[in-house]
Amino acid sequence: DTGVSQDPRHKITKRGQNVTFRCDPISEHNRLYWYRQTLGQGPEFLTYFQNEAQLEKSRLLSDRFSAERPKGSFSTLEIQRTEQGDSAMYLCASSLAASGALSAFFGQGTRLTVV
Amino acid sequence: DQQVKQNSPSLSVQEGRISILNCDYTNSMFDYFLWYKKYPAEGPTFLISISSIKDKNEDGRFTVFLNKSAKHLSLHIVPSQPGDSAVYFCAASATSYGKLTFGQGTILTVHP
Repeated sequence: DTGVSQDPRHKITKRGQNVTFRCDPISEHNRLYWYRQTLGQGPEFLTYFQNEAQLEKSRLLSDRFSAERPKGSFSTLEIQRTEQGDSAMYLCASSLAASGALSAFFGQGTRLTVV
Repeated sequence: DQQVKQNSPSLSVQEGRISILNCDYTNSMFDYFLWYKKYPAEGPTFLISISSIKDKNEDGRFTVFLNKSAKHLSLHIVPSQPGDSAVYFCAASATSYGKLTFGQGTILTVHP
């Protein structure tokens, strides 16, 4: 299976700790997105990469959040000094530039619980 | 400011009948519209999409209709199957690079 892969699937952390999530996109996809989903809501856009360049960041992405895609392949999302409000499902998606928005494929997500 | 709205939190349909899921949007800059299906504890699965130059797109049992003047789109599933039971999200994009704005989702239950 060559879909979008996210690791870990679940993470429980204590408030104040740092966490890092990894996303491996579909191999030929050069666009990568991070979204966050809370209970009862649709996913909310966090940030977007084309190759290794981070081209857009949502205002939802506070200074405690940082995302990287160092070689234009996998990406990491780090949250520093976690807060209970960070508890959510973090979703990664990828797409091919030529297809634009019409076929963004999501991974299974990382569920973060901050206790 | 909810730019994409799915006003029906849930929909219940009998197996074999048509399911119609609705979505409204307010941003006239949206040019691409997508529907996703989501099972619990999984990421959204892409179903079907449509661009603003079309008013209909069909893929098997799934058809999406777009009414730009009304800023409304709908997803028709015919015939509905129990395996279609899931949360359905509509999403829209104003850009060519796929930053999506999602609705809140509609829970579809298809009864055998």
